[in-house]
Amino acid sequence: EVQLVESGGGLVQPGGSLRLSCATSGFILSRYWMHWVRQGPGKGLVWVSRINRDGSSTTYADSVKGRFTISRDNAKNTLHLQINSLRAEDTAVYYCVRDTSSHFDYWGPGTLVTVSS
Amino acid sequence: QSALTQPASVSGSPGQSITISCTGTSSDIGGYKYVSWYQQHPGKAPKLMIYEVSNRPSGVSNRFSGSKSGNTASLTISGLQAEDEADYYCSSYVSSSTWVFGGGTKVTVL
Repeated sequence: EVQLVESGGGLVQPGGSLRLSCATSGFILSRYWMHWVRQGPGKGLVWVSRINRDGSSTTYADSVKGRFTISRDNAKNTLHLQINSLRAEDTAVYYCVRDTSSHFDYWGPGTLVTVSS
Repeated sequence: QSALTQPASVSGSPGQSITISCTGTSSDIGGYKYVSWYQQHPGKAPKLMIYEVSNRPSGVSNRFSGSKSGNTASLTISGLQAEDEADYYCSSYVSSSTWVFGGGTKVTVL
């Protein structure tokens, strides 16, 4: 059974940093592109970032470029998102998502990041 | 990276059919076959319902169907049931390995 479980969310002050992790199981991580998608409170889904199979290529939404860094450790079956210079508008549930041919077939339950002083 | 345009809400009675539109541009929906749809119940993670415009994943009811014409994609739910009440999001590949979602549509079963 495919499972994705995010962790690392929490309350952080504006300007602070967090590192989100996603533990994967039930499939071979190295065979898939992976993404992070976020959803602000009461708002819609927003694509954040994508990483290719071996981690050599990454892309980001304009709103997070330069502040967020996606990475992966295929040996540990783990995906990461380093988020720096946090702003109030980054407050959201962050989902770890598996990509199969450019659609998102498995989602984790999400981890909540709250940016507030 | 502007969001795709969806109606805020759509409603229908049990047994009826409803259609949700998702409008983009030639740079996203109109330019690729990679349009997908997601269902999200309150407090839950999204669930893939349609991929590559009109394909259903295993386990998704055949009451859900998708199509595309030009820069607009559509999701149709036939034989509407109470369990279909949820938020629905479209998504499209854009270019240079970026993606975009629609703003979401709340489906209400009357």
